[in-house]
Amino acid sequence: TQLLEQSPQFLSIQEGENLTVYCNSSSVFSSLQWYRQEPGEGPVLLVTVVTGGEVKKLKRLTFQFGDARKDSSLHITAAQPGDTGLYLCAGFISNFGNEKLTFGTGTRLTIIP
Amino acid sequence: DTAVSQTPKYLVTQMGNDKSIKCEQNLGHDTMYWYKQDSKKFLKIMFSYNNKELIINETVPNRFSPKSPDKAHLNLHINSLELGDSAVYFCASSQNPGPGNEQFFGPGTRLTVL
Repeated sequence: TQLLEQSPQFLSIQEGENLTVYCNSSSVFSSLQWYRQEPGEGPVLLVTVVTGGEVKKLKRLTFQFGDARKDSSLHITAAQPGDTGLYLCAGFISNFGNEKLTFGTGTRLTIIP
Repeated sequence: DTAVSQTPKYLVTQMGNDKSIKCEQNLGHDTMYWYKQDSKKFLKIMFSYNNKELIINETVPNRFSPKSPDKAHLNLHINSLELGDSAVYFCASSQNPGPGNEQFFGPGTRLTVL
């Protein structure tokens, strides 16, 4: 059972357009992170959201944590070719006192120049 | 100056062989992890060590045996390799195992079992 479903799975848009990626779950997370992974490399952290309803901005990227801490979204404004990559949401779940990071199914984003 | 390094980068081997992947972090972190990323890019935790002690062991076959000789190293040994073990294996580290900590990932080891 996949705890974190991301949509869309694939997204290909023109440079300059806006887009939103969704991360949904039936589980409640103590915090949630978004990572970006480029080919041949490991994921790199973009943001951590902790409070339900929290909104964080990172230049053209806006991240939102759902009020119930079960879902999140990533909105990119005026997408650029450098935004191309695999975007992964990941939620922390308590595991017998230790926190386990569970990754989403991923969204592969391609920005066409 | 690499924060988390893994060796080898690529590993091609025959079914039934035994192989090891090494990981080192120079960030001074207490916690290290092994993840497996399959062909669909799904990333799943396998093990986590904190201060050289195993704290997370997902339902991984016992052919996989992690070893942490010290806080800076976490190696992964795999016995009797199977076709289904083919994947990219990522090592990662974080300051501690608590929620919200940033995990720093290595570049990955692409394992191909023939």
